[in-house]
Amino acid sequence: QKEVEQDPGPLSVPEGAIVSLNCTYSNSAFQYFMWYRQYSRKGPELLMYTYSSGNKEDGRFTAQVDKSSKYISLFIRDSQPSDSATYLCAMIGQGAQKLVFGQGTRLTINP
Amino acid sequence: DVKVTQSSRYLVKRTGEKVFLECVQDMDHENMFWYRQDPGLGLRLIYFSYDVKMKEKGDIPEGYSVSREKKERFSLILESASTNQTSMYLCASKSSGGSEAFFGQGTRLTVV
Repeated sequence: QKEVEQDPGPLSVPEGAIVSLNCTYSNSAFQYFMWYRQYSRKGPELLMYTYSSGNKEDGRFTAQVDKSSKYISLFIRDSQPSDSATYLCAMIGQGAQKLVFGQGTRLTINP
Repeated sequence: DVKVTQSSRYLVKRTGEKVFLECVQDMDHENMFWYRQDPGLGLRLIYFSYDVKMKEKGDIPEGYSVSREKKERFSLILESASTNQTSMYLCASKSSGGSEAFFGQGTRLTVV
């Protein structure tokens, strides 16, 4: 069993929809949780960063962490075609140096 | 802004060639990483360096070596390129006290 599970999709939704992307994990030592966005043929860029449980909002994006369920989510409101990308979750424990990544979910927003 | 720069966006090499992929970061990060990314397999860690001249094997080190002579530069070496090393290669850096990693733009390597 992988430490981090993420549905690879692909996920296709119409423009304006609310998108929910999720990861589950098994290691209770993870404390820091990240979402990366990767456009086609580019490197991943850090999109959201959260410490421990709770919500964090940045514009149309909300990151949510539920440590009791070992479940993290990224919500995209009013989705745009420019949000079409692969989204990778990543997490790391306190003092650790190597991130553990999900497989990535390929998202397409249709105009 | 953190900048991680990979020397090439696209490379085409012949089977058996020795290939060097270079990565430079400008944030004085202690840790640097090389990953490869293939469809359906996600990111896989090849090698990790936590200090100058220090390295640690990742999940798939076979066929690769690395060099870190200076803190800002981390090189991935394919000693004898093979077609199954055709992939997207990603370099990343991270400070030892931080949790987030920063990636370069990637190198798409094709071995023919």
